[in-house]
Amino acid sequence: NAGVTQTPKFRVLKTGQSMTLLCAQDMNHEYMYWYRQDPGMGLRLIHYSVGEGTTAKGEVPDGYNVSRLKKQNFLLGLESAAPSQTSVYFCATQLRPGQQDNEQFFGPGTRLTVL
Amino acid sequence: AQSVAQPEDQVNVAEGNPLTVKCTYSVSGNPYLFWYVQYPNRGLQFLLKYITGDNLVKGSYGFEAEFNKSQTSFHLKKPSALVSDSALYFCAVRDIDYGNNRLAFGKGNQVVVIP
Repeated sequence: NAGVTQTPKFRVLKTGQSMTLLCAQDMNHEYMYWYRQDPGMGLRLIHYSVGEGTTAKGEVPDGYNVSRLKKQNFLLGLESAAPSQTSVYFCATQLRPGQQDNEQFFGPGTRLTVL
Repeated sequence: AQSVAQPEDQVNVAEGNPLTVKCTYSVSGNPYLFWYVQYPNRGLQFLLKYITGDNLVKGSYGFEAEFNKSQTSFHLKKPSALVSDSALYFCAVRDIDYGNNRLAFGKGNQVVVIP
């Protein structure tokens, strides 16, 4: 039971390059989230999904796109990377839809540097 | 929007002494509060949550937190700190502005337990 996994663990991009981060979960959770973590700012929500085929914007969605074609996978795309997107990216999942008291389970993170 | 504040950047404590990490919240309605811990180069791990009921919440690894409605606080505590408790601690609140689908995080507190 792997839980929440993220691929890749590290990546260095040049400005303007594109890439996709993959989040995979084997817990059959409905909700999935992408956060970014920057020093002194905590975690900020980029996009989220409440089920297969659905996505929604979080508080910092600009420059990112997402897709949830399969329930177990949530992809985060950067079409044209910028240095401001240098960050650590975390995926999270949540068990029961519509239940406000559920904790979120986090992946190990992807450290992205944009030069 | 719902929010939490963690007023201290770093908390230093001697091993064996009590540990307190402070968190205050600002919400409309009933708060759903969480504490997470992040060890170096790892994802966030859930420690405990307050939804309703007893103001003293017990969680993982000997941690507990006290919900205080009059002071709008949710401080994390441990009676006797261990060196292995050295980590980054995040307070979070469920944010209704995103249909309860976002955790609004504080900036985090670095805890250093001195042997």
